[in-house]
Amino acid sequence: DAGVIQSPRHEVTEMGQEVTLRCKPISGHDYLFWYRQTMMRGLELLIYFNNNVPIDDSGMPEDRFSAKMPNASFSTLKIQPSEPRDSAVYFCASSRTGVLADTQYFGPGTRLTVL
Amino acid sequence: GENVEQHPSTLSVQEGDSAVIKCTYSDSASNYFPWYKQELGKGPQLIIDIRSNVGEKKDQRIAVTLNKTAKHFSLHITETQPEDSAVYFCAARAGGFKTIFGAGTRLFVKA
Repeated sequence: DAGVIQSPRHEVTEMGQEVTLRCKPISGHDYLFWYRQTMMRGLELLIYFNNNVPIDDSGMPEDRFSAKMPNASFSTLKIQPSEPRDSAVYFCASSRTGVLADTQYFGPGTRLTVL
Repeated sequence: GENVEQHPSTLSVQEGDSAVIKCTYSDSASNYFPWYKQELGKGPQLIIDIRSNVGEKKDQRIAVTLNKTAKHFSLHITETQPEDSAVYFCAARAGGFKTIFGAGTRLFVKA
């Protein structure tokens, strides 16, 4: 398996622009997670889906952030409008089940820079 | 709120020596403690984990210990090698998927 796939790997945009990050989870995994990593706040869970349904979005920082999972093999994280403080590395992860110790597999991340 | 503190933030060891990274957690309901290794330009990768009903777990050169009373858990890497150089994160989970991560330890292994 190719693992979790994210695109783009790097994104540079200007303040106010819309940004869309994409993720393809590992085939057969029922759970998908979006994380944000910054120097100041470390790794934070933004939202997660089970069978394409958003379960917990309490980590989404503001209404400017939205996430969708239209099918089992694709998810997007959108920021509109983007701000410089949104600059971070965004990771997508997936796991096969909801069992406590089930491994979450992380993608390579998208490094977002908002100028 | 829930918090995981991790020390040290940077650790430099000589090849062949041992490395120890320590974490404390605040949520007494935490019952699962994974450790992740993150190499430059990559996502975190699970290297070992431990559940609250176990005090110690070992996998080749890596071991993790847990003291639930003190809310401490530690990662031990023996016979370190240059390829062990990376950022290591501890984490704690209290059911569900709300995983709280430590701030990370940057490990340098000098050849």
